[in-house]
Amino acid sequence: DSGVTQTPKHLITATGQRVTLRCSPRSGDLSVYWYQQSLDQGLQFLIQYYNGEERAKGNILERFSAQQFPDLHSELNLSSLELGDSALYFCASSVVGKNIQYFGAGTRLSVL
Amino acid sequence: QKEVEQDPGPLSVPEGAIVSLNCTYSNSAFQYFMWYRQYSRKGPELLMYTYSSGNKEDGRFTAQVDKSSKYISLFIRDSQPSDSATYLCAMRDAGAGDSGGGADGLTFGKGTHLIIQP
Repeated sequence: DSGVTQTPKHLITATGQRVTLRCSPRSGDLSVYWYQQSLDQGLQFLIQYYNGEERAKGNILERFSAQQFPDLHSELNLSSLELGDSALYFCASSVVGKNIQYFGAGTRLSVL
Repeated sequence: QKEVEQDPGPLSVPEGAIVSLNCTYSNSAFQYFMWYRQYSRKGPELLMYTYSSGNKEDGRFTAQVDKSSKYISLFIRDSQPSDSATYLCAMRDAGAGDSGGGADGLTFGKGTHLIIQP
C-alpha cells in the first residue's frame, strides 16, 4: 500500500457528463500529481499541485481541471466527457525534498 | 518520435533467468531516471530511482543509466513468477532538483509486459 488513496475505484458514466475524481496524498506529502493511462498513449502527466497551488501542466485538456484543498487532498474534474476519455486516472504524491512519486491504485473511468 | 521509447513486449523468459529491460530517450535534459512495476489493474510501484549516469543495485534489481547514449536498463536476476508485470521506465529533467514545488511531472515509456514462466 503506497499510502495514496483514490476514490472511486471505478466510474461509469455517459458522454457529455461531468465527474470528479478524488485523491488523498500520503501523510506529509505536499505535492500531488495527476496522470492518465490509456492503451494507446501510455501513462501521461496531466497536472501538478503543490501546497494548494498549481505548479505544472502537462497534456491536460481544457475540459479537465484540478484543485488541491487546504487539507492537501486533490480533486480532478473531467467535464463534457467523450468516449476517448475512458482511461485509468492515477494520482501520485511526493514529499518536499525528495521527488519520488508514490502512486495510488487509480480510478478506472468508463465513458459509454 | 516519442520522447521515451520502450519495447512493449511481451517478453517471456523461464524462471531463474536474467531479465534485461531497456528504454531510450531523446531529451538530453532528463536527469532523474526511475523504474516502476505495475501489476494488472494496480498503480505503478517504484522499484529504482537513479540520478544521472551510473549503476544502482537493490537486491535482485540493477538499474543502469548511460546518458551519453540516452539509454537506460533494468536487470532482474533470478527472476520469479511474481516478477511478471509491466515495467515502466520514467524520467524527468532537473527542474527544481529534488525539492518539492518544481515542475516535476514524469515522462513515461509505454511499458514492457514481462512474463516469467514457472
